[in-house]
Amino acid sequence: AQSVTQLDSQVPVFEEAPVELRCNYSSSVSVYLFWYVQYPNQGLQLLLKYLSGSTLVKGINGFEAEFNKSQTSFHLRKPSVHISDTAEYFCAVREYNQGGKLIFGQGTELSVKP
Amino acid sequence: DTEVTQTPKHLVMGMTNKKSLKCEQHMGHRAMYWYKQKAKKPPELMFVYSYEKLSINESVPSRFSPECPNSSLLNLHLHALQPEDSALYLCASSQEFNPYNEQFFGPGTRLTVL
Repeated sequence: AQSVTQLDSQVPVFEEAPVELRCNYSSSVSVYLFWYVQYPNQGLQLLLKYLSGSTLVKGINGFEAEFNKSQTSFHLRKPSVHISDTAEYFCAVREYNQGGKLIFGQGTELSVKP
Repeated sequence: DTEVTQTPKHLVMGMTNKKSLKCEQHMGHRAMYWYKQKAKKPPELMFVYSYEKLSINESVPSRFSPECPNSSLLNLHLHALQPEDSALYLCASSQEFNPYNEQFFGPGTRLTVL
């Protein structure tokens, strides 16, 4: 069965510093990978997704992620964060034979300090 | 229009009340979802409707009753809830129920059961 592990529950960082949020998954079949962001008291918004092709994926708000099949990872990065990036970030996986069913990681709370 | 709307934003109900949550989208999407999200946790899938038919029920207690009256509308009827059912209820939609299509999330209804 598939599972998603987000290795850090909280990541504090100073404004304009780089950040990496880590995500590993386990699955025996092909997967599709997603990162969502949830701002306080809001729903989820898609940041980026990997379906196929280039393993480096660029998303909204300056975020990017790299799919590494051998390490079963899909880490999210941003070279310079802003206060407004403070939010909860969820990595999610879909197996190719499970329709639209998303399996989420436990989330990483990114806290950007001035 | 890429918006999923949910009403009400907040709902407080007693354990003997009957209430309903409403979700609407006008993107022509044929898959709609209900999720439950507890504080500091990822969303948990409850129900999936595909082409207005219930496709997935993740063993949700019968005190939650979903309904899809048409392709744009999804309801969640609530009856005899427990305090532990207090959570953020998120609705989402996607073009189809498949691994490739992005799920668009609404802002959620914050439910408190007294």
